[in-house]
Amino acid sequence: GAVVSQHPSRVICKSGTSVKIECRSLDFQATTMFWYRQFPKQSLMLMATSNEGSKATYEQGVEKDKFLINHASLTLSTLTVTSAHPEDSSFYICSARDRDRGLSPLHFGNGTRLTVT
Amino acid sequence: QKEVEQNSGPLSVPEGAIASLNCTYSDRGSQSFFWYRQYSGKSPELIMSIYSNGDKEDGRFTAQLNKASQYVSLLIRDSQPSDSATYLCAVIGQGGSEKLVFGKGTKLTVNP
Repeated sequence: GAVVSQHPSRVICKSGTSVKIECRSLDFQATTMFWYRQFPKQSLMLMATSNEGSKATYEQGVEKDKFLINHASLTLSTLTVTSAHPEDSSFYICSARDRDRGLSPLHFGNGTRLTVT
Repeated sequence: QKEVEQNSGPLSVPEGAIASLNCTYSDRGSQSFFWYRQYSGKSPELIMSIYSNGDKEDGRFTAQLNKASQYVSLLIRDSQPSDSATYLCAVIGQGGSEKLVFGKGTKLTVNP
């Protein structure tokens, strides 16, 4: 149980284009999903908290107009990297918590490796 | 700023030995503590969760929590080469926030 599916697993795009990443909770409902970014040999950094039916909460230093988050249902959140640049190349990982289990551990998707050329 | 600190390592142990991973946290009101394992290029996977003081054992893994010292550890008994990975300590703070704060991770290498 508690499977989080993230798609695509890898994407290569040209500078200036936009990329959408999907995160789905397959067997549970998630009121809240979290988006992390990880640069090589660094830890996971929380980018934003995605709330179903409302606006996302962004961490300090994360541009909300560049990283668009939509959480339209209890099982789907999307992150769109707009006007991507090479410095946005990173490993993006979503995570979700079962809303029926309080502050239970986060379950992670398999991540999306974004390369911007 | 809530922080989670880990020794970045690398920590190297021989196969069959006990690996000891340590973590301290700054938010005294933290309630939930987790250890994740991350293989290179992969996303983290949950190893252990612990919520109260003391030890919690699951197979070869034992998590230890000491809230007074703001310290949580992970012991891996009979270490195997397949345990070689980066181990991330993560904490949920107080105040109703659901955010999980990660340490920078400790890289463990188990030598055959």
